[in-house]
Amino acid sequence: NAGVTQTPKFRVLKTGQSMTLLCAQDMNHEYMYWYRQDPGMGLRLIHYSVGEGTTAKGEVPDGYNVSRLKKQNFLLGLESAAPSQTSVYFCASSSDRGRFGQPQHFGDGTRLSIL
Amino acid sequence: QQQVKQSPQSLIVQKGGISIINCAYENTAFDYFPWYQQFPGKGPALLIAIRPDVSEKKEGRFTISFNKSAKQFSLHIMDSQPGDSATYFCAATSQGGSEKLVFGKGTKLTVNP
Repeated sequence: NAGVTQTPKFRVLKTGQSMTLLCAQDMNHEYMYWYRQDPGMGLRLIHYSVGEGTTAKGEVPDGYNVSRLKKQNFLLGLESAAPSQTSVYFCASSSDRGRFGQPQHFGDGTRLSIL
Repeated sequence: QQQVKQSPQSLIVQKGGISIINCAYENTAFDYFPWYQQFPGKGPALLIAIRPDVSEKKEGRFTISFNKSAKQFSLHIMDSQPGDSATYFCAATSQGGSEKLVFGKGTKLTVNP
């Protein structure tokens, strides 16, 4: 029972490089989310999806793109990485809008450093 | 605009003591208030949640107190244990509107043996 799996767990990039973070969930959840976590800043929503083929901007979407081609996968792309994007990235999923008894399930994060 | 303000930023308590973390919100449309617990190297996990039609919810040693008029809610950890050492996030959302959770900035709790 994997839940939410994030790939890779660690990555170091150079400024200007591109990469894609993969999130996969096996709970048949409709909703998926990408957050970034920075010291003292809590969790900030980057983009989210309310179903296959849909995406929407969150609080801090600039510099990121996402795709949800399959219900179980949610991809986060950095087209031209910048040092300000050094962070820990978390993916989450939920079966509903975070209603009672329907929490967001988080992966264990991708630690990304951009030099 | 920070919609959920959490304090303190860090907290140190002795084993067996009570840990108290406070949150305040601004948006009166919020109607679901979860707390998430995060251990180092792991993702956050739902700990306990409350809706505004009750003033208190208790699950084991963890209790949420909710004050709708003051727009404040707090997490109390009774008989705190070293295994409770983690970062705690409060959050809020509106069932009838956005799908998004708004998180506080987190409280790092250390429980000394």
